Amino acid sequence: RKEVEQDPGPFNVPEGATVAFNCTYSNSASQSFFWYRQDCRKEPKLLMSVYSSGNEDGRFTAQLNRASQYISLLIRDSKLSDSATYLCVVTTRLPGGSYIPTFGRGTSLIVHP
Amino acid sequence: GAVVSQHPSWVICKSGTSVKIECRSLDFQATTMFWYRQFPKQSLMLMATSNEGSKATYEQGVEKDKFLINHASLTLSTLTVTSAHPEDSSFYICSARMVGGTNEQFFGPGTRLTVL
Repeated sequence: RKEVEQDPGPFNVPEGATVAFNCTYSNSASQSFFWYRQDCRKEPKLLMSVYSSGNEDGRFTAQLNRASQYISLLIRDSKLSDSATYLCVVTTRLPGGSYIPTFGRGTSLIVHP
Repeated sequence: GAVVSQHPSWVICKSGTSVKIECRSLDFQATTMFWYRQFPKQSLMLMATSNEGSKATYEQGVEKDKFLINHASLTLSTLTVTSAHPEDSSFYICSARMVGGTNEQFFGPGTRLTVL
């Protein structure tokens, strides 16, 4: 079983739609959670951190459910420019004290006119 | 702030040559830098974790003698792909975590390596 799992998609939605992505993780000791966005042939860029209390940034809302070990990303009023791959990242503290990030394989979103 | 650069951004080399990729944190100090490899349509795969002044920690399946990592300062880590072969062609991305910061990673723009 992969440590971080995402539905690869693609999710093909019209402009203005609301779309939700989920990500599950297997290590209950994981401590930090992020959503990154990656455009084709570019480096990932941080979209938002994810907290248990949930957080919202404009049209984007992220949630963390520690009990069920999943995080979610909701995008409202989708724009054409939202088309990208969304990567779920989970950071886990190892016994030696270092923090190791693990990436999901990404969920592809295509927003069409 | 929190800018990470990589050099070169694109390299083509002959099979058997070695290629060095630099990763620099431009406006912050990085305790830890990570090196990733990404093949087309796949996710980032962590290759190794690099801590300043100590040996890198390699992920399972990554040959440490082939992918040499040096983290000589808090702002520079290098990855050298030794005796590169066509199967090493990939997108190599580094990221850096800020000293005293959160677990957020700041990514470099990546280096596209093509081995002929």
